[in-house]
Amino acid sequence: SQELEQSPQSLIVQEGKNLTINCTSSKTLYGLYWYKQKYGEGLIFLMMLQKGGEEKSHEKITAKLDEKKQQSSLHITASQPSHAGIYLCGADMEYGNKLVFGAGTILRVKS
Amino acid sequence: DVKVTQSSRYLVKRTGEKVFLECVQDMDHENMFWYRQDPGLGLRLIYFSYDVKMKEKGDIPEGYSVSREKKERFSLILESASTNQTSMYLCASSSWDLAGGPKEQYFGPGTRLTVT
Repeated sequence: SQELEQSPQSLIVQEGKNLTINCTSSKTLYGLYWYKQKYGEGLIFLMMLQKGGEEKSHEKITAKLDEKKQQSSLHITASQPSHAGIYLCGADMEYGNKLVFGAGTILRVKS
Repeated sequence: DVKVTQSSRYLVKRTGEKVFLECVQDMDHENMFWYRQDPGLGLRLIYFSYDVKMKEKGDIPEGYSVSREKKERFSLILESASTNQTSMYLCASSSWDLAGGPKEQYFGPGTRLTVT
């Protein structure tokens, strides 16, 4: 969706390197969700951010939502082959849990 | 764990056929959603439902209908399948938090539908 811009479109990193994926909206978001998808499969929920300035971490993945609630970043520390996949951000643009999704970032990790 | 299941992983249908895609969730979620996912276009919302017998149009409802007769089941219907409906179809469900705000959506494994 052009309402939610995700960058980069694809990323190839060497195993052990850090990386960041960004998700930007022109509107204030009610909620921002990060998902991971293996090719041809469903989406796996990673994290949800709702408050401006919020930051959450799970294992080696950290997600942040800026103070204005218009931009989020997903940071992976010391990437591993298991991190490979498609990362999607989804956002509540209006109340009601109707998510709009970014186009996704394809991550490949070279070992 | 939340479990969302979809009736088929792969489906091949002919143009003009009526197609039913079934989705079942086991977490008593109020909300259920149908998306389609296409390369370069991402996920797009087709229909959603906040309660039994309720349905709301999403961004691309044309050519589709839905049915929600029971809380745990949400069906997507292609009345007369066309080749431009070849896609990956994903079902999701969610609930509300104690403050009435939305919670994360949980997705099924997807159905890859091919219409020939």
